[in-house]
Amino acid sequence: DVKVTQSSRYLVKRTGEKVFLECVQDMDHENMFWYRQDPGLGLRLIYFSYDVKMKEKGDIPEGYSVSREKKERFSLILESASTNQTSMYLCASSLDLGRGDTEAFFGQGTRLTVV
Amino acid sequence: EDQVTQSPEALRLQEGESSSLNCSYTVSGLRGLFWYRQDPGKGPEFLFTLYSAGEEKEKERLKATLTKKESFLHITAPKPEDSATYLCAVQVVNDYKLSFGAGTTVTVRA
Repeated sequence: DVKVTQSSRYLVKRTGEKVFLECVQDMDHENMFWYRQDPGLGLRLIYFSYDVKMKEKGDIPEGYSVSREKKERFSLILESASTNQTSMYLCASSLDLGRGDTEAFFGQGTRLTVV
Repeated sequence: EDQVTQSPEALRLQEGESSSLNCSYTVSGLRGLFWYRQDPGKGPEFLFTLYSAGEEKEKERLKATLTKKESFLHITAPKPEDSATYLCAVQVVNDYKLSFGAGTTVTVRA
């Protein structure tokens, strides 16, 4: 089974802190994604990566950055946490186009609260 | 701009009462449509992928269908354990990412 593991289930951080959310997948997937999920707004894409050291902005990248130094690991960085970044963060991975079915597999989520 | 709209927002069913969820989409070129189930506080769990109009897929009490403009998720004789939020997402041709609808929250009462 595909496994996507996020480093924390719950985090509480203070306004202005630099926050790192880590995600690891074990299925040799090329693509990795970070979404945030808020009530009534659904899942919104923050950033995605289609290869090591490659990244592209999603729909809501402001206030975030990412790092992908190894194929299996994709990190989301909140440069200076703000209360409006309180949310559920979801990491996902998928196969590259042409390698097979491209459904995304998700981690268990990180509930981040910024106080 | 690609759009995915799910209806209804919430659905309350009696155990055994079959119903359908709708996902309508407007995209420039559909590569695939995906259905997920999400339980409270957890990440979405993959259910189905549909690639072309007329395609159908089934899993236990769930059946997904696809037309050129929308997809339906049919729940037949639901049980309380089918209570969850059901999400649909679309992927367009030559793109990696999935665009999600807001979801339908299904509650099945015993």
